[in-house]
Parts: sequence; C-alpha cells; structure tokens
Amino acid sequence: DAKTTQPNSMESNEEEPVHLPCNHSTISGTDYIHWYRQLPSQGPEYVIHGLTSNVNNRMASLAIAEDRKSSTLILHRATLRDAAVYYCILRDGYGGSQGNLIFGKGTKLSVKP
Amino acid sequence: DAGVIQSPRHEVTEMGQEVTLRCKPISGHNSLFWYRQTMMRGLELLIYFNNNVPIDDSGMPEDRFSAKMPNASFSTLKIQPSEPRDSAVYFCASRKLAGDTYEQYFGPGTRLTVT
Repeated sequence: DAKTTQPNSMESNEEEPVHLPCNHSTISGTDYIHWYRQLPSQGPEYVIHGLTSNVNNRMASLAIAEDRKSSTLILHRATLRDAAVYYCILRDGYGGSQGNLIFGKGTKLSVKP
Repeated sequence: DAGVIQSPRHEVTEMGQEVTLRCKPISGHNSLFWYRQTMMRGLELLIYFNNNVPIDDSGMPEDRFSAKMPNASFSTLKIQPSEPRDSAVYFCASRKLAGDTYEQYFGPGTRLTVT
C-alpha cells in the first residue's frame, strides 16, 4: 500500500499561516491525496483532497508537488480551533476496498495564542 | 441534517458482557463504515457496507465482533463477549457512493470501556 510520512507534531501561532507537509514517495498515478483532521474528542472531518493540481476551499489549500511525491496542507490563518491531528491519506481512485481511507498517525498541530 | 448519529456516546461494561453500538448514517448516504481508535493502534477500519451489504470485514479483529445493516438508516456493531482490550472509541462514518469527493462524514463516536 502507498503510505504517507508526516511530522508527529507542529506548533503555530494564532493568525499565522501553517504549512503541514506530507511525503508520499510511492504514490501511484491513480492515488488521490486526502486530508482529514480530528479535533479533540471528535470524529475526523474532511478538509480537502486533490489529484494533481493545487486545490483551494473554504478551509484550506492543498499544494501538490509536480512529481506528486509530496504535498502541503496550508491553513492561511491559524485559529485556536484549528488545533487538531491532521491526517494525510492516499486513496486509490480505482475504488473497491483499495479505495478506502487508511489513517496513519497524522500531525498534531498546536496553536498558540 | 443532524449528521451521523451514534449511540450510546459512552458505554462502560464488564468483561464477558455483550455490547451493542448503534449508528444512524446521514440520509441519502449509501456507504457506511465502522472504525475503532486506540492510542496504540490509531484509527482502524473494521468493516464497511455499500447499499446495506457488507463489502469488506477484514478489519474485524475476531469472531467476537459482528456488524449488521438491516436497512439504509441503521447499523449495529456488536461485541460478544467483550474483553478489556476492546476498550476504545468506535466511530461510524457514512458517505455517498456516487460523487467525486469521497468525503466521509464521521459521527461523534462511542467511547467503550470494558472492565
């Protein structure tokens, strides 16, 4: 299975941008890159996903390297509410069981006031 | 929409007892997932259903675990008999099979403690 590598933890200051890195050197051509986050005592929630091009939505931006072997989740202005564990996940676009989400350890983001 | 609903939110039981966790997916979603989360193993997929049919239960730890989805709006995860190592937070998630986002919506989880 294609896997991802993320730092265990990161710190940020409130109202500053945050760049969360993810390495996925064994990514295949059909793998989508998904980001979920899990706030304390809650279930994970979808943040963003992409295949090849950079993506933006109301929550964040996803920057995907040209060779797709790494990506970066960008929170433009961190708030205290963004403190969470962020998961970078590869999902096989062919679907079936290979298309399910496999969660790793993620990056625990702390936001300082 | 109320989102994915799970009950109970907390369950404390003694070893050997039967435990039933319940999940109501979001209306219109036709794929349902059961996950388990522990500090040691993280978030693990146990089983998932498409259109009420179990598709892959390879993540179910052993025969003590069983899951059913009798209709599109209800699913159960049963543990019989329960053991202390089953203590974890159990999440249910749902999504639409069609669509390109593959966005799963998670419930708030059931925290199970087996003493």
